Amino acid sequence: DTEVTQTPKHLVMGMTNKKSLKCEQHMGHRAMYWYKQKAKKPPELMFVYSYEKLSINESVPSRFSPECPNSSLLNLHLHALQPEDSALYLCASSQDRVGGRTDTQYFGPGTRLTVL
Amino acid sequence: AQKITQTQPGMFVQEKEAVTLDCTYDTSDPSYGLFWYKQPSSGEMIFLIYQGSYDQQNATEGRYSLNFQKARKSANLVISASQLGDSAMYFCAMREGGYGNKLVFGAGTILRVKS
Repeated sequence: DTEVTQTPKHLVMGMTNKKSLKCEQHMGHRAMYWYKQKAKKPPELMFVYSYEKLSINESVPSRFSPECPNSSLLNLHLHALQPEDSALYLCASSQDRVGGRTDTQYFGPGTRLTVL
Repeated sequence: AQKITQTQPGMFVQEKEAVTLDCTYDTSDPSYGLFWYKQPSSGEMIFLIYQGSYDQQNATEGRYSLNFQKARKSANLVISASQLGDSAMYFCAMREGGYGNKLVFGAGTILRVKS
């Protein structure tokens, strides 16, 4: 069964708050991803962890800080966000096969973030 | 650089009819994978179907099939016997071969199924 879980489902925070988004997968996948998605737009890649190491950072502002405590967990720490950071944040995981054209990403349900 | 184009911003289909969602791609890499995802209004991105560039047969998964025309660089999604629950945003995506390449998404097509 393919399942990626994310908490919380919804989050409202002020610009001075610190909060964290959590993602978990139990599929034995070794790659995990954070995406940001604005309404009616495709997801934009933020970070990729491969074998618990950060392998891609898409020039994301430092107010977003990813963390991968182990191969099943992925966190996104948020601090001093701006209203324009309001979006759906999606987590995904994949097996991270060498020769990545067949590497299917499975997504979680997302966290809808509102920054006031 | 790889690129995905979905030219239909929105589509309507009558319940129980078939519908084709268009996707064209551009890449110079002979090794690539094509993916379709469904995103209902709830937000979750649901993987539907995969087609590899070296696959000889068109991919099928239940009511979903992929019309893969390599020479035309198109990978259209066909949904047969549409259901009301098929109403969603559909994204076509591509990933080139080789370690570390990213999944690139098209702009998406909103499908509405009418009863």
